[in-house]
Amino acid sequence: AQKITQTQPGMFVQEKEAVTLDCTYDTSDQSYGLFWYKQPSSGEMIFLIYQGSYDEQNATEGRYSLNFQKARKSANLVISASQLGDSAMYFCASRLNYGGSQGNLIFGKGTKLSVKP
Amino acid sequence: EPEVTQTPSHQVTQMGQEVILRCVPISNHLYFYWYRQILGQKVEFLVSFYNNEISEKSEIFDDQFSVERPDGSNFTLKIRSTKLEDSAMYFCASSESGARKFGNIQYFGAGTRLSVL
Repeated sequence: AQKITQTQPGMFVQEKEAVTLDCTYDTSDQSYGLFWYKQPSSGEMIFLIYQGSYDEQNATEGRYSLNFQKARKSANLVISASQLGDSAMYFCASRLNYGGSQGNLIFGKGTKLSVKP
Repeated sequence: EPEVTQTPSHQVTQMGQEVILRCVPISNHLYFYWYRQILGQKVEFLVSFYNNEISEKSEIFDDQFSVERPDGSNFTLKIRSTKLEDSAMYFCASSESGARKFGNIQYFGAGTRLSVL
């Protein structure tokens, strides 16, 4: 079974600084996808970034990048130049690409990021 | 930008009543999902739906739950006889393709907050 672990319940970062949100996953499958979603206080879930298990390069989307270390089974989210609007819950999620659970996402418990002015 | 739309944003109901949560997925998407998030907890998968039938469901999705795509645009989740523990945020998501295509992104709606009294 898949499992996502986010060990940081809460994080603080100064505006304009970079922050890393940790995520480790546990799967014996070779083919899987890793996702990060942002949930502001308004409640919606916003897709941020995706990394496939066979992708050789770390994914990047604007100020978001994913530090993917396959051997360590970690997929940390890096937010550069933090903005006040980045204050939110951040969820790491995984999904198997073959067989078994074919489509559903498995989420971690999330990290609450607070950006200080 | 296309988005997943959910109505209502907040539903209050009495225990034992039936509720229907509504979703309009992104128009060219073929795969549909429901997730729920009990307050302060992680997001949990309920059910996935493709080609007018359930693809997969979790243990949470018992006989009290059902899903339907009554027309070409709506996707609904029905809870027949609500319990107090059904109180949660319910998210609808849709994706263009299923798990077997790498990079399948699930886009979430803003959620319906269900309060069972």
